[in-house]
Amino acid sequence: DAKTTQPTSMDCAEGRAANLPCNHSTISGNEYVYWYRQIHSQGPQYIIHGLKNNETNEMASLIITEDRKSSTLILPHATLRDTAVYYCIVRTSTTSGTYKYIFGTGTRLKVLA
Amino acid sequence: ETGVTQSPTHLIKTRGQQVTLRCSSQSGHNTVSWYQQALGQGPQFIFQYYREEENGRGNFPPRFSGLQFPNYSSELNVNALELDDSALYLCASSLGFGHQKYNEQFFGPGTRLTVL
Repeated sequence: DAKTTQPTSMDCAEGRAANLPCNHSTISGNEYVYWYRQIHSQGPQYIIHGLKNNETNEMASLIITEDRKSSTLILPHATLRDTAVYYCIVRTSTTSGTYKYIFGTGTRLKVLA
Repeated sequence: ETGVTQSPTHLIKTRGQQVTLRCSSQSGHNTVSWYQQALGQGPQFIFQYYREEENGRGNFPPRFSGLQFPNYSSELNVNALELDDSALYLCASSLGFGHQKYNEQFFGPGTRLTVL
């Protein structure tokens, strides 16, 4: 299974962009990159996902390198409520053809006032 | 639309006992995945159920087993509990086959299991 590597922790000033990197150098061609975040040991919350093109939604942007070996999640204007653990995930196929998530160890983002 | 719910919220067991955790899927979702999250770690995939059958399994021993019911709700059973089984157990529901691009998993709040 493809693995992801993330920095353990990052700080970001409130109102500034938070850029969270992820390395997934062993990703296969049909495996998607997903990002979730988890606050206070609640269930992880979906943020965004992509295959090879950059993606943007109301929460964030996802930049995937052309070789797909790394990606960056961008929170354009971080707020205190964005303080959480952010997981970069590779979605891979099960033996039966559905999908499972391979989580990394996550980046603990702290947004500072 | 009802989200993913799990019960109980917290549970304390002793080593060697058996435990059953329950999960109700989000409306319309036919696939349930279970994850174990040890303290300070990312969630680890245990197994997945689709149409009442196990459909993919992570690196967990057979004493971890599950069920899925016709209404797509699910149970996780763990026999012969060990101290290392202490963790947050998460279930996630999603659409199954035929939804490759939009296969987002919706997570429940988890059950915190403590084994003494």
